[in-house]
Amino acid sequence: AQSVTQLDSHVSVSEGTPVLLRCNYSSSYSPSLFWYVQHPNKGLQLLLKYTSAATLVKGINGFEAEFKKSETSFHLTKPSAHMSDAAEYFCVVTEAPTGTYKYIFGTGTRLKVLA
Amino acid sequence: DTEVTQTPKHLVMGMTNKKSLKCEQHMGHRAMYWYKQKAKKPPELMFVYSYEKLSINESVPSRFSPECPNSSLLNLHLHALQPEDSALYLCASSQTLSVYGYTFGSGTRLTVV
Repeated sequence: AQSVTQLDSHVSVSEGTPVLLRCNYSSSYSPSLFWYVQHPNKGLQLLLKYTSAATLVKGINGFEAEFKKSETSFHLTKPSAHMSDAAEYFCVVTEAPTGTYKYIFGTGTRLKVLA
Repeated sequence: DTEVTQTPKHLVMGMTNKKSLKCEQHMGHRAMYWYKQKAKKPPELMFVYSYEKLSINESVPSRFSPECPNSSLLNLHLHALQPEDSALYLCASSQTLSVYGYTFGSGTRLTVV
């Protein structure tokens, strides 16, 4: 069965410094992986997705993530944090089309950006 | 149109009330989902519809009743809710039951008093 672990429940960075949000997954098959962002009292917005194409995935708002099969990781990065990046971030895994269609959510990482 | 629209944005209801949440998309997506999200927790799947048919019910209490009248519209009918049902209810859609990314609505914040 697949699962996803977000290694940090809270991350604080200063504005203008790099962001690293960590995600490790477990999957029996070729996974599809996603990062979503949720601002307070809002829905979830897709940042980026990996679906077995390029291992370095570029998303919106300057975010990117690298799929590393050997490390079973899909960490989210951004070179320079902006105040508007403060939000909750969810890593999601699901298996290949022949498997389950269900999203498995990580427990979330709350990103705080300090002025 | 690349959005999932949920109405109302906020809802307060008593435990004896009947109310409905509405979700609409015009992207031609044939799979639609209801999620429940409690504060500081990830979303939890409630129901999945595929081609207007209920595909999955994640053992949700019968006081929640989903309906998919057409391919663009998904409703969640609420009756005799409990205060612990207060949460953010999120609707999502995808092209089909695939793994290539859902589009989420902004949610309905439900408070049961």
